[in-house]
Amino acid sequence: DGGITQSPKYLFRKEGQNVTLSCEQNLNHDAMYWYRQDPGQGLRLIYYSQIVNDFQKGDIAEGYSVSREKKESFPLTVTSAQKNPTAFYLCASTPDGRQETQYFGPGTRLLVL
Amino acid sequence: AQKITQTQPGMFVQEKEAVTLDCTYDTSDPSYGLFWYKQPSSGEMIFLIYQGSYDQQNATEGRYSLNFQKARKSANLVISASQLGDSAMYFCAMREGTDSWGKLQFGAGTQVVVTP
Repeated sequence: DGGITQSPKYLFRKEGQNVTLSCEQNLNHDAMYWYRQDPGQGLRLIYYSQIVNDFQKGDIAEGYSVSREKKESFPLTVTSAQKNPTAFYLCASTPDGRQETQYFGPGTRLLVL
Repeated sequence: AQKITQTQPGMFVQEKEAVTLDCTYDTSDPSYGLFWYKQPSSGEMIFLIYQGSYDQQNATEGRYSLNFQKARKSANLVISASQLGDSAMYFCAMREGTDSWGKLQFGAGTQVVVTP
């Protein structure tokens, strides 16, 4: 089945540790996005990528890094510089960024120990 | 400044009744798109309906319709004949411009609880 997968579903991070969240899509979409959602709030854009080997900062990029080495993969690393990483992280994609609809993965919940 | 405003933090609606979720937006760009997403307790964001700023008619998708009032900058979602499975968080979102590469700005959401 075509879709977006995110792993793991739950992730625990220790203080000072970098962790990487996976996002894979087999929809042949060009554009991919990472959002952060805090309890009771809407989504905020962290990073987005229009094509392979290119990505742009969103509204809250500090403390995060991404790569886009393959069209189908857009991993997000939460670095130790992100002081408040506990949140729900959602990955999305569109055929290209100008299309109307973003399709979302199931999300990863990150908790700090 | 807040681009998308959803003023209803939570609503109760009885099964089989209709419910309207409010959304107002702020943009000076003549070209924009408005979206509604549903987020059940599982967390996944489910696309419901889209309205483009140049669309002449209000969008409809099954039991979902969008009441688009451009002059008032509002894009309210109407869910007809509510079902228990409609209980979820609902988000309004906006994409500004034709070259923004799909970046969406979201409102804070409205929690809907459908009661038997």
